[in-house]
Amino acid sequence: IAGITQAPTSQILAAGRRMTLRCTQDMRHNAMYWYRQDLGLGLRLIHYSNTAGTTGKGEVPDGYSVSRANTDDFPLTLASAVPSQTSVYFCASTPDSLNTEAFFGQGTRLTVV
Amino acid sequence: DQQVKQNSPSLSVQEGRISILNCDYTNSMFDYFLWYKKYPAEGPTFLISISSIKDKNEDGRFTVFLNKSAKHLSLHIVPSQPGDSAVYFCAAKSGGSNYKLTFGKGTLLTVNP
Repeated sequence: IAGITQAPTSQILAAGRRMTLRCTQDMRHNAMYWYRQDLGLGLRLIHYSNTAGTTGKGEVPDGYSVSRANTDDFPLTLASAVPSQTSVYFCASTPDSLNTEAFFGQGTRLTVV
Repeated sequence: DQQVKQNSPSLSVQEGRISILNCDYTNSMFDYFLWYKKYPAEGPTFLISISSIKDKNEDGRFTVFLNKSAKHLSLHIVPSQPGDSAVYFCAAKSGGSNYKLTFGKGTLLTVNP
């Protein structure tokens, strides 16, 4: 593993199903983030974590939850997927919450049908 | 209301010429600005940044200019190369302890050989 790894790369999901997007980093970065990218809307922050054990809501948190049990992992869960959650999801990390030069994963393309 | 605006969805330039990508913002609290580059099927990668106390930052072929009075920044790429073809996102951060980047919608740059 080098940097940030997201899994799966892509997924087709039936509406109403539960889904967890995985994100793992090996850089020992304290802060981690989840963004979604939608055509014509840029990247929008869903949830963030400044350090292990803490999480916070971003710009579009509804329908999503996160946990940060340790430094390396930051999973994003959709409890009951809806078609509007069809998007490309990016996990990112920074050494600390003040550093803005984030490292991004390769993304997870999720389609909810 | 969109706080970071990239009004040109796309830009096409010839190899060797200058590429100028523009970004406007509305939030006076933004104090740090970044440009990210994104290739298809990859995560965004950090390109260059500028603090609000500066009006110019240069890194090789890339220069970012900031005009605080106009709430405008631009990214200049000279000379442009075909490998520069990508989507470029402008992002901004306001002061404080929580990292939160606000992204523009992106501009697709195509550099023609």
